[in-house]
Amino acid sequence: QSVLTQPPSVSGAPGQDITISCTGNSSNIGANYNVHWYQQLPGRAPKVLLYRYNNRPSGVPDRFSGSRSGTSASLVITGLQPEDEATYYCQSYDTDLTSLVFGGGTQVTVL
Amino acid sequence: QEQVVESGGGVVQPGRSLTLSCAASGFTFSAYVMHWVRQAPGKGLEWVAVIYNDGSLKFYSESVKGRFTISRDNSKKMIYLQMNSLRVDDTATYFCVRDGDAGWSPLGVNWLDPWGQGTLVTVSS
Repeated sequence: QSVLTQPPSVSGAPGQDITISCTGNSSNIGANYNVHWYQQLPGRAPKVLLYRYNNRPSGVPDRFSGSRSGTSASLVITGLQPEDEATYYCQSYDTDLTSLVFGGGTQVTVL
Repeated sequence: QEQVVESGGGVVQPGRSLTLSCAASGFTFSAYVMHWVRQAPGKGLEWVAVIYNDGSLKFYSESVKGRFTISRDNSKKMIYLQMNSLRVDDTATYFCVRDGDAGWSPLGVNWLDPWGQGTLVTVSS
C-alpha cells in the first residue's frame, strides 16, 4: 500500500483534459513538502515531468501542469495526446517515515 | 550529457549478497546527492536509499535498513549499493538517480533526475 494514493488508471480521448490526483496526509503533502511528478513510458526508466508542484523541465510540453491543495496534489494533462500513454507517479517526502515516498502510479490510456 | 549507468544486477539466492554500481558522467558528481530507487516487476516505484555529497549522510527505507549499505567514491564518480541478506521481495529493477539540484538540501526538497536505465536483481532459489 503506497503512502500517496493515486487512481490506478485514467483514460481519455485525444484532445481531452484529464486529471490525476495524488492524496497524502499531514505528514507529507499536508506538511508542505514538495510534490514532484514522473512519467514512465512502457519499458523505460521514469523521467521527471513536473518538479516542485508545477515547474516543467525543458522539453516538457506546457499541456502538463500541477497544483496542490491541502493534503493532495494534482497533475493535469490538457489536450491529451497519444504519446501521453504512460504511467505517472507522484513523489513527496514523509516526515513520519523519514523517507521519500511515491504514489502507486496511474496508468493513462488514450482511447 | 548528464547520465548515470547502473551495473551489477543478476540472479542471486535468498540470503546471499550482491553489490550494484552506478557510474556518473556529464556533471560535477561531488556536488550532487544520489539515490537508489527500485521497482518490482509490474509494480510501482520504491525509494531505497540516499547518500549526500561527501558521503557523510545516508538514509534508508525501513524495508532495507540494516541489510543494504549505500556508498560513493567521488574520485571515481561512482555510487554503490551493497545488498546483504537478500530476500525474494528484493527482486526489482534498481535505478540509480541523481538529485535534481546541486548542493545540500533536506531530503524531499529536490526531484529525482536523471534516472539510469536500471539493473535487474532477481532473488530466487
